[in-house]
Amino acid sequence: EVQLVQSGGVVVQPGGSLRLSCAASGFTFDDYTMHWVRQAPGKGLEWVSLISWDGDTVYSADSVKGRFTVSRDNSKNFLYLEMNSLRAEDTALYYCAKDGEMVRVNQGYFDYWGQGTLVTVSS
Amino acid sequence: IQMTQSPSSLSASVGDRVTITCRASQSINSHLNWYQQKPGTAPKVVIYAASNLQSGVPSRFSGSGSGTDFTLTIRSLQPEDFATYYCQQTYSTRNSFGQGTKLEIK
Repeated sequence: EVQLVQSGGVVVQPGGSLRLSCAASGFTFDDYTMHWVRQAPGKGLEWVSLISWDGDTVYSADSVKGRFTVSRDNSKNFLYLEMNSLRAEDTALYYCAKDGEMVRVNQGYFDYWGQGTLVTVSS
Repeated sequence: IQMTQSPSSLSASVGDRVTITCRASQSINSHLNWYQQKPGTAPKVVIYAASNLQSGVPSRFSGSGSGTDFTLTIRSLQPEDFATYYCQQTYSTRNSFGQGTKLEIK
């Protein structure tokens, strides 16, 4: 059974840093591109970042570029999102998601999602 | 790429047929997915690549379109279909979602 289990929610001050994690199981992790998607309270979905199966290709939304960094450890089956210079508008539920097909960087769909991690940026 | 859904909300009854549209600001070929999200849960893909039904999704769901204009149709609405639906383009490496369509019970 495919599972994506995310770390717990946190509160962080504006300007602070945080690392989210997503533990994958039930599939061959290093065959799949992984994504981060966020959802501000009461709002829609916003794609944040992707990392290819081998970690060589990374893309991020303009809203987080230069502040957030996606990475993965294929030896441990973990996906990470390093978040720096956090702002109030980064407050959201952050989901990790798995691409639906093997060894494809983009042009796919997300077939499994984590349960989400609530990040609250507040003083 | 901007994705615009319409309507933003929709009231319908069990048994109705509903259609949600999604328009891309430029051609995305058929790289368009539809997700269903219920309160307090992660999104779930229902249609991928514009018209492909995800495994396990009831056949009353269907998708069509290519280029810039797409539709999600649900025929014979069931109580469990009331949710928010999002379109998503993955043509660009910077994926993007529509703003969502909330489907409510009339």
